[in-house]
Formats: sequence, structure tokens, C-alpha cells
Amino acid sequence: AQKVTQAQTEISVVEKEDVTLDCVYETRDTTYYLFWYKQPPSGELVFLIRRNSFDEQNEISGRYSWNFQKSTSSFNFTITASQVVDSAVYFCALSGTSGNTPLVFGKGTRLSVIA
Amino acid sequence: EAQVTQNPRYLITVTGKKLTVTCSQNMNHEYMSWYRQDPGLGLRQIYYSMNVEVTDKGDVPEGYKVSRKEKRNFPLILESPSPNQTSLYFCASSTHPGVPNTEAFFGQGTRLTVV
Repeated sequence: AQKVTQAQTEISVVEKEDVTLDCVYETRDTTYYLFWYKQPPSGELVFLIRRNSFDEQNEISGRYSWNFQKSTSSFNFTITASQVVDSAVYFCALSGTSGNTPLVFGKGTRLSVIA
Repeated sequence: EAQVTQNPRYLITVTGKKLTVTCSQNMNHEYMSWYRQDPGLGLRQIYYSMNVEVTDKGDVPEGYKVSRKEKRNFPLILESPSPNQTSLYFCASSTHPGVPNTEAFFGQGTRLTVV
């Protein structure tokens, strides 16, 4: 069975601090995808990134960066110089590559960035 | 513009009164699914469909029905809603999960309250 664990339920940081959101996953698949989604207070789900299991390169997009480590089954997300607009719930998710494998979500981490 | 449209966005209903939440996508995606989001539980899959007339249960299907008569539409039906189905519901669509670079597009969510 697939499982995603986001151990941090809530995090508060002061604006301009860096913050890392942890994601640990379990899967028996050899090929899989990992995702991060952002859910702002308005409620919609915003896609941030997808990572294929065979590509362990870290990725940076502006203030966002992702650290994928297959050896520890982790896919952590770092926000550099956080801003108030980063306040949201962030979900890590895992998907297999066959047709009947759903997108499995972690329980989410609520990030509050205080001005 | 690529989008997944859910209706209604908000709904308050009474126990036992049948309701349907509609979902429509304009991307010609094969794969569609329904999730519910509850505090502390993240998003859990209710039902999914891999193509027209092909549907299957997710993790929490009890009390729900779906149909997929056309590729673009995937309605969620609650034949006899109960208060424990009060939740935030998301519809999602994507290309086949096995396709590289697949990404799930989510609707804006439907907040359902059953009293």
C-alpha cells in the first residue's frame, strides 16, 4: 500500500525566514510520481511540482526548492525568505504509474507566515 | 483555458435528500476522480474513473455513487446524505496516471453541509 506522511501538522514562521516542510512516503512501486500542492485560504488546490522517481535531481523554482532523496523516501519542500502569501496548507502526494493507483495525499502541513 | 468545473461551490442540505455534485473537464482527460477533504485527514479518494463507463471505488466509497457516461463529466451522487458526509469535495482530472508528466487538475471544491 502507498502512504504519505507529513509529520508537521502546523508550522509558524516569521516573514523572511526559511522553512522546510517534510514529506516521507512509502510505496512498493519501482516507478512512481511525487507531488506538492498548495491550498491557500480560498480553498482551491494549486499544483506546485511533480517529480518522477527516476529523477533525483533537486529542483528550484524561485523561492521554492525541493529535495528528493530516494534513499530515505523523502521529498521535502523548502520555501526561502517566506512571505505572508505563502500561508497555506501544503500537501505532499504520491501516485503510481498504473491506471488504478490513486493520488495518495498526506494529511497536510498548515504554514502560517507572520508579518 | 484548461479547467475542471464543479457545481455547486456551496451546498447545505438535509439528511436523506438526494443530491448530485457535477464535475466537468475540458481537457479530454481519461482519468477523473473524486476526493473528500476532512480536517486532520487530508484528501481521500472516493471514486475514480479511467474512462467512459469505467468506474471503481477509492478508499472511502460508502454512501456515494458516480457515473461516467461522457468523457468530460463525472458527477458525484449522494443518494441519502448523512451528516458524516459533511466535507469539502474535490473533483480531479488527468491524463492516464502512467503517462509521463501527468498532472492532476482540481476543481475549485464543493463545500457540503448535511444537517
